[in-house]
Amino acid sequence: DAGITQSPRHKVTETGTPVTLRCHQTENHRYMYWYRQDPGHGLRLIHYSYGVKDTDKGEVSDGYSVSRSKTEDFLLTLESATSSQTSVYFCAISDQSGVRNIQYFGAGTRLSVL
Amino acid sequence: GENVEQHPSTLSVQEGDSAVIKCTYSDSASNYFPWYKQELGKGPQLIIDIRSNVGEKKDQRIAVTLNKTAKHFSLHITETQPEDSAVYFCAALLTSGTYKYIFGTGTRLKVLA
Repeated sequence: DAGITQSPRHKVTETGTPVTLRCHQTENHRYMYWYRQDPGHGLRLIHYSYGVKDTDKGEVSDGYSVSRSKTEDFLLTLESATSSQTSVYFCAISDQSGVRNIQYFGAGTRLSVL
Repeated sequence: GENVEQHPSTLSVQEGDSAVIKCTYSDSASNYFPWYKQELGKGPQLIIDIRSNVGEKKDQRIAVTLNKTAKHFSLHITETQPEDSAVYFCAALLTSGTYKYIFGTGTRLKVLA
């Protein structure tokens, strides 16, 4: 998975609890992304980062926050988890320098909010 | 907002036959179009990509075609094999000040032995 590690791989939590998912890369890529994958919706962008401390919202950002204090780490936080946030979450990285547009994905985190 | 439409959502073919998956994008500024294969329990893996200055690209049994005027691009898999069974996603890179990708909703391909 191109030097991308997502943790945890599986998590079960209760409604109202905070949850943090971690994405760690060893490729030194500038861009990092968080997606959620749900049946019938494909991959939808939650937030992305274009550098340390530089982040922006995607199409489904409500209820999520992110932080990137180091190039290699991108954290996704659900401040107060809801059942609608039950999903599979994927982190991705991309260089985006010149023509290096390829996006590489991690193995995913399966989150269940009960 | 920008979107990518992908069809069909499911596709069953006999082993050895060809499979075609089609996508339409809305952002005329998009210039990079990747295709991903996702096997059960794994993250998406890039299988082929194409840039807007090229009309077709091939890699062994896989090919992608792009029609910029119509804003269509398609994935072609020839001589399908059981291991081609997976979910396939198309995507378009938005370059208008960002490097965000918009994905299609996926096609579940089943290759019947």
